[in-house]
Amino acid sequence: DIQMTQSPSSLSASVGDRVTITCRASQSISTYLNWYQQKPGKAPNLLIYATSSLQSGVPSRFSGSGSGTDFTLTISSLQPEDFATYYCQQSSTLPRTFGQGTKVEIK
Amino acid sequence: QVQLQESGPGLVKPSETLSLTCTVSGDSIDTYRWSWIRQPPGKGLEWIGNVYSSGSTNYNPSLESRVTISIDTSKNQFSLKLSSVTAADTAVYYCARDNRRRDSSGWYVHWFDPWGQGTLVTVSS
Repeated sequence: DIQMTQSPSSLSASVGDRVTITCRASQSISTYLNWYQQKPGKAPNLLIYATSSLQSGVPSRFSGSGSGTDFTLTISSLQPEDFATYYCQQSSTLPRTFGQGTKVEIK
Repeated sequence: QVQLQESGPGLVKPSETLSLTCTVSGDSIDTYRWSWIRQPPGKGLEWIGNVYSSGSTNYNPSLESRVTISIDTSKNQFSLKLSSVTAADTAVYYCARDNRRRDSSGWYVHWFDPWGQGTLVTVSS
């Protein structure tokens, strides 16, 4: 299985901050990397697929980049509704695997 | 707008079989693959497996010996059975649509969207 490792596991930030979350794959996954946002008690919600394609309806302050084994999710200006847990997920091979999550908290 | 809804018992006894159904509305179940994903309380996400309208399946090797995913196109539903459950199988179980499209190199890109709201299944006597 491909192991996905996110860093940091949690972070504290203020509204308006630029936030970057990193995801590393244990082997190359090309650009087959997705990002999800999960709020407490809710299902994950797709933000970005194929590394950098923004899902319809997702604000443009979210962006993704990377290839191979190293990927980033960037929130350009953190908004109150962005405080949540973020997961990366590889779709290069089966079984599909997720990172352990990054919790973004209010500073 | 596609919606998915999980249903099934919220409490299962150890060693018994967990059974859940996902009902799809707003879209035909024929066109896509459909996945089950679970999340133990306070923990991360684990992909369980998927099914296509033909009935073909893929399973996570970590669960393969205990999992069966099936589809009923006439009811626009797909189902999960997990046998010989233990407390470690306590989780929120989600169903999700497994989307794909070809990228510029001709390979398929896959992603999960939308998801059902999830259902908590507790394994306890």
